[in-house]
Amino acid sequence: NSKVIQTPRYLVKGQGQKAKMRCIPEKGHPVVFWYQQNKNNEFKFLINFQNQEVLQQIDMTEKRFSAECPSNSPCSLEIQSSEAGDSALYLCASSLRTGGRQNTLYFGAGTRLSVL
Amino acid sequence: GQGVEQPDNLMSVEGTFARVNCTYSTSGFNGLSWYQQREGHAPVFLSYVVLDGLKDSGHFSTFLSRSNGYSYLLLTELQIKDSASYLCAVCMPNYNVLYFGSGTKLTVEP
Repeated sequence: NSKVIQTPRYLVKGQGQKAKMRCIPEKGHPVVFWYQQNKNNEFKFLINFQNQEVLQQIDMTEKRFSAECPSNSPCSLEIQSSEAGDSALYLCASSLRTGGRQNTLYFGAGTRLSVL
Repeated sequence: GQGVEQPDNLMSVEGTFARVNCTYSTSGFNGLSWYQQREGHAPVFLSYVVLDGLKDSGHFSTFLSRSNGYSYLLLTELQIKDSASYLCAVCMPNYNVLYFGSGTKLTVEP
C-alpha cells in the first residue's frame, strides 16, 4: 500500500468552481511532484517542490493552478476556476532527492477530478 | 513530454512472456524508469536503467539502447495478476523530473 496519502479520492466540481486536493508525502521525503493523468492516460508534469520551495513548474500551473507545500501541513494543489478539460486523475508523488542518477517516485492513489 | 511513446495494448498468455516497448526522442537523460499501474491504483516502481544492455531482475527485466532511443520491459512466466498498465518514463537532469509515456495495458489470458 502506498505511503503517500492523497485526499479526497474523488472530487466533483462545476465549471468555474475551485478544486483543491491534498497530499501527504512519505515520511522523510522532502521532494513532492504533481502530475495530471488525463482520460487518454497521458501524464503531464505540473510542478515539484523541495520542502516548501518550488523547483520547476509548467506554464499551465502559473495561470489557474496553484500549489504549495507548507511545513508541517499537507501539500496542496488548487485549481482556481475549474474547466472541463481539467477533469483528470491528479497524482502526487514523493522522493528522497532531486539530484543523483536515480529518482524513484512513490505515488499516491490520486484524486480523480470531474468537472461538470 | 520528451516524446515517450508506448503501444496502447498488449495481450499475452499465462506462463509465457510479454515485451513492453518504449521509444523516446529525448537525449541527455539520466536514466529510464518502468512503473506498473493497476486500475484505480498508484503507479508502483519496477526498475531503473542507466546503461545500455539488458538488466535482468528475475520476473521483470529491462533493456535500454540509448543510441536507438528504445527500451523494453520483459515479463517472463506471466501470471494473470501481471495484467496492468506498464509505464515508461525518462528521468531528466532538471531536478530529476520523470516524463512518462501513456502506458501499455497488458492483458494476460489463461
